[in-house]
Amino acid sequence: QVQLQESGPGLVKPSQTLSLTCTVSGGSISSGTYYWNWIRQPAGKGLDWIGHISTSGSTNYNPSLKSRVTMSLDTSKNQLSLELSSVTAADTAVYYCTRNGGLWGQGTLVTVSS
Amino acid sequence: EIVLTQSPATLSLSPGERATLSCGASQSVTSSYLAWYQQKPGLAPRLLIYDVSSRATGIPDRFSGSGSGTDFTLTISRLEPEDFAVYYCQQYGSFPVTFGGGTKVEIK
Repeated sequence: QVQLQESGPGLVKPSQTLSLTCTVSGGSISSGTYYWNWIRQPAGKGLDWIGHISTSGSTNYNPSLKSRVTMSLDTSKNQLSLELSSVTAADTAVYYCTRNGGLWGQGTLVTVSS
Repeated sequence: EIVLTQSPATLSLSPGERATLSCGASQSVTSSYLAWYQQKPGLAPRLLIYDVSSRATGIPDRFSGSGSGTDFTLTISRLEPEDFAVYYCQQYGSFPVTFGGGTKVEIK
């Protein structure tokens, strides 16, 4: 079955760029018609949709983050990636990659601190 | 942006009781694209219901969803011990995708 696994630095300094990867196993990232999402959750708070990228590579970003977000697919590695620039403490959260239909990774905690 | 408001914030019930969770939208949800998730501490959310009333794979039939337009409900017919968790609604018919603030179902 298809599984998702997020990875990346757990600590990022303020003003730097947060870079995360989601590795997809058990299926091809480019097959079917799916939306691959990034969602984050600050500790003790609710869920925020960051954006998505389709299997064709088209993107939609949350307007609140649009100026700082880039998502991409690497079909050769079966991975999707997230870059969030100019981070602040407010970007500290657990970051999840998901696929529409209810498939979620386990999440990765990213802390923004000097 | 569609704002989703969940009520109540906390629901205190006993096992075996019926739970009714509400999700109100600031404008009509497009094409009934409304989902419900369950989240337990330290875990990723789990999809329960999509398209207002369709149960996801493996979800027991004590979970049901209903509603239309701007008012939606998740009902758990008889609470099992494993159902005590936080529940979120999500709309995915309009961008940006948005979530409600959550309802915590706790043991009374």
